[in-house]
Amino acid sequence: SYVLTQPPSVSVAPGKTARITCGGNNIGSKSVHWYQQKPGQAPVLVIYYDSDRPSGIPERFSGSNSGNTATLTISRVEAGDEADYYCQVWDSSSDPFGGGTKLTVL
Amino acid sequence: EVQLVESGGGLVQPGRSLRLSCAASGFTFDDYAMHWVRQAPGKGLEWVSGISWNSGSIGYADSVKGRFTISRDNAKNSLYLQMNSLRAEDTALYYCAKGISSSWYGEYFQHWGQGTLVTVSS
Repeated sequence: SYVLTQPPSVSVAPGKTARITCGGNNIGSKSVHWYQQKPGQAPVLVIYYDSDRPSGIPERFSGSNSGNTATLTISRVEAGDEADYYCQVWDSSSDPFGGGTKLTVL
Repeated sequence: EVQLVESGGGLVQPGRSLRLSCAASGFTFDDYAMHWVRQAPGKGLEWVSGISWNSGSIGYADSVKGRFTISRDNAKNSLYLQMNSLRAEDTALYYCAKGISSSWYGEYFQHWGQGTLVTVSS
């Protein structure tokens, strides 16, 4: 099965840059999608196909994918960005979601 | 505006059955694959099942294969999940999610409902 590894938590000060990683074997050859989930809310797509942003998602959110690591980058972090973030990759019958990363804004 | 409204959750005893529904609106339902994704309390997201636009292709997570059945009624713009032989570990918030094409595999989940809670307990 294909395993996606995310750090359980990332902390960042307001105004700084947060980087959330998603590790997987040769993930750079696959399409990676990212979701934001705030407490008590449904997930929201923030990045698709590695680096594309849906309409309505701030330009502060960006993505990259190479080798064995995909990265969600949030620039100029705001308090409202505090949430859980999940990467998603399809690979045969494996669960497509990573374990999630809790972003804490200090 | 895309709307997905789940219903049918509740408290059920282990071994019993439950049927979830998802009412879709705001898009041409029979153009798109649909999915069920669940989230156990305090845990991460877990894909449960996906179905293509015409029900011709269906996929299940190993954890529910043989117990859950996904279906859709395009005339009613509705998605369903029949859950049999329920276990305590099936306790979760179940989300209905819309794909981006007619095929369920290889997509991302463009829109999500608010979920319906299933609790399996005696």
